[in-house]
Amino acid sequence: DGGITQSPKYLFRKEGQNVTLSCEQNLNHDAMYWYRQDPGQGLRLIYYSQIVNDFQKGDIAEGYSVSREKKESFPLTVTSAQKNPTAFYLCASSISGGRSYEQYFGPGTRLTVT
Amino acid sequence: QQPVQSPQAVILREGEDAVINCSSSKALYSVHWYRQKHGEAPVFLMILLKGGEQKGHDKISASFNEKKQQSSLYLTASQLSYSGTYFCGTEIGGAQKLVFGQGTRLTINP
Repeated sequence: DGGITQSPKYLFRKEGQNVTLSCEQNLNHDAMYWYRQDPGQGLRLIYYSQIVNDFQKGDIAEGYSVSREKKESFPLTVTSAQKNPTAFYLCASSISGGRSYEQYFGPGTRLTVT
Repeated sequence: QQPVQSPQAVILREGEDAVINCSSSKALYSVHWYRQKHGEAPVFLMILLKGGEQKGHDKISASFNEKKQQSSLYLTASQLSYSGTYFCGTEIGGAQKLVFGQGTRLTINP
């Protein structure tokens, strides 16, 4: 079955540590996205990538980093510079970054930093 | 540039109708609608393109008024399974990314 996988589902870290969230898709999609969702809030775009080896900052990129070395993988690193990292993180992909294509979402990773 | 959704929350009885609105201050290329159940990933409902078209499937439909930079989602004869939070995602100026509204929480009671 094609889809997007994110691991782990729950992640706990101590303040000051970097942590990497995994996102893999086997849909052969060109575009991939990372969103952050806080309780009762909408989805805010962190980073997105239209093609391998290229990515752009979204609206809240500070304190985060990404890489896109393979088409199917788009890991997100939450660095110690992110002031409030506890949130629900969603990865998504679409056929291309062009207009009008639906985004498919992974199940999400809930990150708690104490 | 975040679109504004209204209402923020609505409670209905099964079988009643609902309308959720999404307004932007920017010219829109397209509007996406998604539904999210608690603790789960958002699920795609539909996309509307420039041209003011109206789309729908089953008892959920939507319209897109390009001039007013607004979209509305219509849920008729609501079912218990329609409960969740609805988000509109707007594509502005061919930016090839979406900006999501804050969501509308829909509760359907028996």
